[in-house]
Amino acid sequence: AQSVSQHNHHVILSEAASLELGCNYSYGGTVNLFWYVQYPGQHLQLLLKYFSGDPLVKGIKGFEAEFIKSKFSFNLRKPSVQWSDTAEYFCAVNARGNKLVFGAGTILRVKS
Amino acid sequence: GAVVSQHPSRVICKSGTSVKIECRSLDFQATTMFWYRQFPKQSLMLMATSNEGSKATYEQGVEKDKFLINHASLTLSTLTVTSAHPEDSSFYICSASLSGTEAFFGQGTRLTVV
Repeated sequence: AQSVSQHNHHVILSEAASLELGCNYSYGGTVNLFWYVQYPGQHLQLLLKYFSGDPLVKGIKGFEAEFIKSKFSFNLRKPSVQWSDTAEYFCAVNARGNKLVFGAGTILRVKS
Repeated sequence: GAVVSQHPSRVICKSGTSVKIECRSLDFQATTMFWYRQFPKQSLMLMATSNEGSKATYEQGVEKDKFLINHASLTLSTLTVTSAHPEDSSFYICSASLSGTEAFFGQGTRLTVV
């Protein structure tokens, strides 16, 4: 069965620090990969997605993610975080059909 | 992006009663909708996949008689929690798929069974 693993459940950073959130998945076939963000009290929102092509994907708000097929990874990065990036981040994988499988989530807190 | 509206956002019900949660795609037709459950400090767990005009497909371990799903139109899916018990208290989230790829999420429903 598909599974998605996010390495850190809680991350605390100071403003302007760089961010990297790990995501690994287990599925041998073709996948679509997503990062979603949930700001406090708000809906899940799509940050970025990878379907095919350039493995370095740029999303909204300065986020990017790199798909490394050989490592089954899709890590999320941002060079310089802001206080407003405080949220929970979910990695998700879509393989068979439209079903999305989510990782456990990483809660990011940015200290101002 | 596409908008998915979920209603109600919060509901408190008595043990033994049933609760219906609605999920609507407001500006697109969703052939497939998904229902998730999120426990505190845990990820979203897919409960079922709902296709318009056909029976929902439930994930392993999800009781289909407990969580009734109806997808009567391309813009509306409902989840009814029947004979709710305190252990059913959770955060329920729906999503709708556009073109079979990207999913858009509702704001979620916080169900509390007392």
